[in-house]
Amino acid sequence: EVQLLESGGGLVQPGGSLRLSCVASGSTYHAMSWVRQAPGKGLEWVSGISGSGDSTYNADSVKGRFTISRDSSKNTLFLQMNSLRAEDTAVYYCAKDLSYGSWSAFDIWGQGTMVTVS
Amino acid sequence: EIVLTQSPGTLSLSPGERATLSCRASQSVSSSYLAWYQQKPGQAPRLLIYGASSRATGIPDRFSGSGSGTDFSLTISRLEPEDFAVYYCQQYGSSPLTFGGGTKVEIK
Repeated sequence: EVQLLESGGGLVQPGGSLRLSCVASGSTYHAMSWVRQAPGKGLEWVSGISGSGDSTYNADSVKGRFTISRDSSKNTLFLQMNSLRAEDTAVYYCAKDLSYGSWSAFDIWGQGTMVTVS
Repeated sequence: EIVLTQSPGTLSLSPGERATLSCRASQSVSSSYLAWYQQKPGQAPRLLIYGASSRATGIPDRFSGSGSGTDFSLTISRLEPEDFAVYYCQQYGSSPLTFGGGTKVEIK
């Protein structure tokens, strides 16, 4: 079974940038996503990328500020976060789609990386 | 955007009891593309149910999902101590994917 390991979180000032990474233990051609959870709150789908990398989605709350990408040769997913705001403070999870093709349920999740904007 | 409303917010039950959680969508969920997740404190969510009623790999059969259209439910037939957690529904029938606000199942 594929395992996911995120890194890159930390404390950053408002307006700053961070780049999150998520390394998969094996090859995956599934769509991948970033899902975040603000402290004590629910889950929010932030960004998604297709298995081929040619289709992406960004939530309105991060559009124009966050960019999702993947390097399939390194089994790695990225999230470039610019112009960070206090409301971006959350645990960021990377998650693998259950099936190929269009967006689906997430069957594998990383342990999460905390991003604090303050 | 499809809004998912989960009820109740908190469910207080004893081990061995049956739990029924509800998830209502603001519009019909295409092809019953609805999933349920369990999340314990400090842990990532775990997929329980997809396609409204299919159990994910390794999920015990005391967990079952049902429903279609706008009304879905998750049933835990007999609560085990490890089942006390927060449960989220998610629809993936249309973009953006959305989650419900969660139901906390706590020990009575």
